[in-house]
Amino acid sequence: DAKTTQPPSMDCAEGRAANLPCNHSTISGNEYVYWYRQIHSQGPQYIIHGLKNNETNEMASLIITEDRKSSTLILPHATLRDTAVYYCISSYGGSQGNLIFGKGTKLSVKP
Amino acid sequence: NAGVTQTPKFQVLKTGQSMTLQCAQDMNHNSMYWYRQDPGMGLRLIYYSASEGTTDKGEVPNGYNVSRLNKREFSLRLESAAPSQTSVYFCASSVPGQWDGYTFGSGTRLTVV
Repeated sequence: DAKTTQPPSMDCAEGRAANLPCNHSTISGNEYVYWYRQIHSQGPQYIIHGLKNNETNEMASLIITEDRKSSTLILPHATLRDTAVYYCISSYGGSQGNLIFGKGTKLSVKP
Repeated sequence: NAGVTQTPKFQVLKTGQSMTLQCAQDMNHNSMYWYRQDPGMGLRLIYYSASEGTTDKGEVPNGYNVSRLNKREFSLRLESAAPSQTSVYFCASSVPGQWDGYTFGSGTRLTVV
């Protein structure tokens, strides 16, 4: 079973920020939080990852709580092309080979 | 374009037939993975290869075999296909020890009738 919990679906208005929550209350100290998304039936696409500190890249921002039990992925200005299933994953990364995908959050960006 | 290439994109098999799904990456990644995705579900790891010459079972290995042919190629074989193996299969690759994400292929859609 996935070690993270996400809401099954969310809506967001085009141009507004999309805030996707994730609970990972059993995360261990050296596990990272990864976010991926899957558009239609394409292969998942890496978005961002973090350990303790907040992270930002050209796609999104990742906010991790101080106790590391939850995090939020922020898409600052959602577009229709951001409609996808978003997966939050806790993993040791590298070659551990165990990215465990749950069912994710289906984000629908509406005009 | 650099990335992960999977062949074929679509396949229909009859129960009991065998086939091999091919995956190749040109990013010089050491690690490669095979996942399956059933409708409405997340991806489940079938097998992975941390480096050339090694393979390990993932979450759902039964009914499958894999071969890491060389650094670039990682194939998945179904010896005797069953309807329960109807799924979308994704191959991925990564650099061990590099804390970036995996790169996934576009998938193989397999139907077993």
